Amino acid sequence: DVKVTQSSRYLVKRTGEKVFLECVQDMDHENMFWYRQDPGLGLRLIYFSYDVKMKEKGDIPEGYSVSREKKERFSLILESASTNQTSMYLCASSPGTGGESNSYEQYFGPGTRLTVT
Amino acid sequence: AQKITQTQPGMFVQEKEAVTLDCTYDTSDQSYGLFWYKQPSSGEMIFLIYQGSYDEQNATEGRYSLNFQKARKSANLVISASQLGDSAMYFCAMREREDNQGGKLIFGQGTELSVKP
Repeated sequence: DVKVTQSSRYLVKRTGEKVFLECVQDMDHENMFWYRQDPGLGLRLIYFSYDVKMKEKGDIPEGYSVSREKKERFSLILESASTNQTSMYLCASSPGTGGESNSYEQYFGPGTRLTVT
Repeated sequence: AQKITQTQPGMFVQEKEAVTLDCTYDTSDQSYGLFWYKQPSSGEMIFLIYQGSYDEQNATEGRYSLNFQKARKSANLVISASQLGDSAMYFCAMREREDNQGGKLIFGQGTELSVKP
């Protein structure tokens, strides 16, 4: 079974702190994603990566950065946490593109509920 | 413009009855894929069903079926014989071929389904 793990289920940080959210997948997937989920807004893509050391901005990258030094690990960084970054953060992975890649589902981690006070 | 629209923020259904969750999408791409995910209160996203734009048959997976109406750009999820464990948030998502690098998904706002005993 594909497994995507996230470093914390719950996290409380103070305004201005640097925050690291870690995500690891064990299925050798090329693609990895970070979303934030807010009530009424669904899931919004922050950043994604389709290869090691590659990253692309999603729809809401402001205030965030990412790092992918190894294929299995994708980190989300909040350089200076703010209260409007209080949210549920979901990491996902999927196989690479090509072939029937339209049908490749994304596999999600359990999520990290971050509260910034 | 919203690419995936779920117009029902919340729905109730009686146990053992069928329920339809609405999803409409907007794309100019000819090749795309549509997905439904379930998110229980635990937070983990569970893949339910996939429909490709060129698939002639509606997708089915156990009690889940996807009512795909291409001309109307709708991809409604039908859950038959609802169970208490079906109570969850449900998300519709789309992947477009032309924007396929990295396998990005675009999500709707979600529908919260409550199954009554």
